[in-house]
Amino acid sequence: RKEVEQDPGPFNVPEGATVAFNCTYSNSASQSFFWYRQDCRKEPKLLMSVYSSGNEDGRFTAQLNRASQYISLLIRDSKLSDSATYLCRPTGGGNKLTFGTGTQLKVEL
Amino acid sequence: NAGVTQTPKFQVLKTGQSMTLQCAQDMNHEYMSWYRQDPGMGLRLIHYSVGAGITDQGEVPNGYNVSRSTTEDFPLRLLSAAPSQTSVYFCASSITGRETQYFGPGTRLLVL
Repeated sequence: RKEVEQDPGPFNVPEGATVAFNCTYSNSASQSFFWYRQDCRKEPKLLMSVYSSGNEDGRFTAQLNRASQYISLLIRDSKLSDSATYLCRPTGGGNKLTFGTGTQLKVEL
Repeated sequence: NAGVTQTPKFQVLKTGQSMTLQCAQDMNHEYMSWYRQDPGMGLRLIHYSVGAGITDQGEVPNGYNVSRSTTEDFPLRLLSAAPSQTSVYFCASSITGRETQYFGPGTRLLVL
């Protein structure tokens, strides 16, 4: 099993929709999690940190399910500007920081 | 505060040439790392460093060397470029390996 797995997508959703995607991790010792957003041909930028069961920031909610070892990202009221690739990164596996391959989101009119 | 800077932005090399990708950060971060990103492959860790004088291998270290003589700088050296090293290279830094990473703008490398 890969350390971090994400559905590559693309997830095509209409503007205003709610969309969620998951990130599964193999290391049960992972304590904190990060969601990054990456626009085409740009560097990843932090979207949200998760240190306990979840986090919420405006339209974005991250929820952690430790029993099943996955973390989800929920985006409400999707906007065209949310179109990007979303990368997940857990910590707890020492200093080798591994990212998922990312999930591509396309928000359409 | 410039954050993480990378030079050059673009580079074209011929097979067998060597070069150094520069990375610098001004946030006094101990942890620095290099990733390469290829279509469909996500970010793959090449090398990382937890502090000046300390480096270690990531998932895909072959063909690359690093050193960390100062806290600020973490150059990545390609010893003998190969077409398989055509990629986008990102440098990142963080306070420690458990904190948020900040990425540089990337270097796009084409090896012919």
